[in-house]
Amino acid sequence: DIQMTQSPSSLSAAVGDRVTITCRASQSISSYLNWYQQKPGKAPKVLIYASSSLKSGVPSRFSGSGSGTDFTLSISSLQPEDSAIYYCQQSYSVPWTFGQGTKVDIK
Amino acid sequence: YLVESGGGLVQPGGSLRLSCAASGFSFSNYEMNWVRQSPEKGLEWLAYISTGGTTTYYADSVKGRFSISRDNAQNSLYLQMSGLRAEDTALYYCVTDGEVVLATPGAFDIWGQGTMVTVSS
Repeated sequence: DIQMTQSPSSLSAAVGDRVTITCRASQSISSYLNWYQQKPGKAPKVLIYASSSLKSGVPSRFSGSGSGTDFTLSISSLQPEDSAIYYCQQSYSVPWTFGQGTKVDIK
Repeated sequence: YLVESGGGLVQPGGSLRLSCAASGFSFSNYEMNWVRQSPEKGLEWLAYISTGGTTTYYADSVKGRFSISRDNAQNSLYLQMSGLRAEDTALYYCVTDGEVVLATPGAFDIWGQGTMVTVSS
């Protein structure tokens, strides 16, 4: 199975800050990497798919990059509503696997 | 929209059948998945089924114990669970596969709100 490792596990940043979350795969997954946002009591929702494609309706302050084993999710200007847990997930091979999550808090 | 049902409290070794009712989209055109979430294991993909139901994939943790199926005429997805263990305690989500909308098989697009399964004596 492909292991997905996110860093950091949590972070706290101010409104307007640029935030970057890293995801590393245990083997190359090309660009088959997706990012999800989960708010308390809600189901996850996809933000970025295929490493860098923004899901329709998702604010443009979210962006993704990377290929192979190293990927990043960036929030260009953190907003209060971005407080959530963010997960990466590989769709390269079954079993599809998730990272452990990164909790983003607003200072 | 996706609405799961059928969760509840079950004893170890017991069985449960989860259902997922789909509406607002052409269900028969979408591959489907079950994903669960627990504090111990986080998000875990469990099972996939193709549009016609002929192809299925399972995580090793549930292979041989869980069975995914669908009824396109009823716009419904199912997860038959047997041999339940304490570690199967989780919130179970029905999720559309990303192939149709995102052109990305294995991505998880639309999620239901989940149904809770608790395995305990």
